[in-house]
Amino acid sequence: DQQVKQNSPSLSVQEGRISILNCDYTNSMFDYFLWYKKYPAEGPTFLISISSIKDKNEDGRFTVFLNKSAKHLSLHIVPSQPGDSAVYFCAASAALAGSYQLTFGKGTKLSVIP
Amino acid sequence: GAGVSQSPSNKVTEKGKDVELRCDPISGHTALYWYRQSLGQGLEFLIYFQGNSAPDKSGLPSDRFSAERTGGSVSTLTIQRTQQEDSAVYLCASSSLGEAKNIQYFGAGTRLSVL
Repeated sequence: DQQVKQNSPSLSVQEGRISILNCDYTNSMFDYFLWYKKYPAEGPTFLISISSIKDKNEDGRFTVFLNKSAKHLSLHIVPSQPGDSAVYFCAASAALAGSYQLTFGKGTKLSVIP
Repeated sequence: GAGVSQSPSNKVTEKGKDVELRCDPISGHTALYWYRQSLGQGLEFLIYFQGNSAPDKSGLPSDRFSAERTGGSVSTLTIQRTQQEDSAVYLCASSSLGEAKNIQYFGAGTRLSVL
């Protein structure tokens, strides 16, 4: 039973346009959400996170939106750059319950076309 | 070191053999995690160490898997009597205390191939 779902295995976007990556979760105990970026043969790199007490967090070109009622979050990348091409993983934890282990989605492969 | 270090980067072994994977976390990080990523899957939690507390072993898939963390720093993940389904990338992550405790930093992983 997947508790974190990324329903789009891949996404292609033109350079300069917006990339929107989506993530859904089922566990109501999740209260902290993270996005990681992964290049081939490298470990995941932390990108941005959001606590459940917020609905938006922004860091440069990256913004994460959280809709708790829909159990949905999204990552927006504006403008997209060719170097953003990677696999993006959504992850969640139940930090307030003392469970810091991350539950990951299967990832979305983003391709930014020059 | 500056980041999480894992060794070896690649390991090929024969079915039935034991393997040891090593993780050196970021200096000063008290929490250490092991995950694995099988082909086409997301990362799957295995085990979590926090300071001197008893580890959370709830993600270990069988009793062939064990891990230890010596001196609150380096960790070793041991897989006994390896099976082909153990083939995966094994990733280690560490995190600090305080506000940053929710953010885990990953090593590059060990790619394990069981023939």
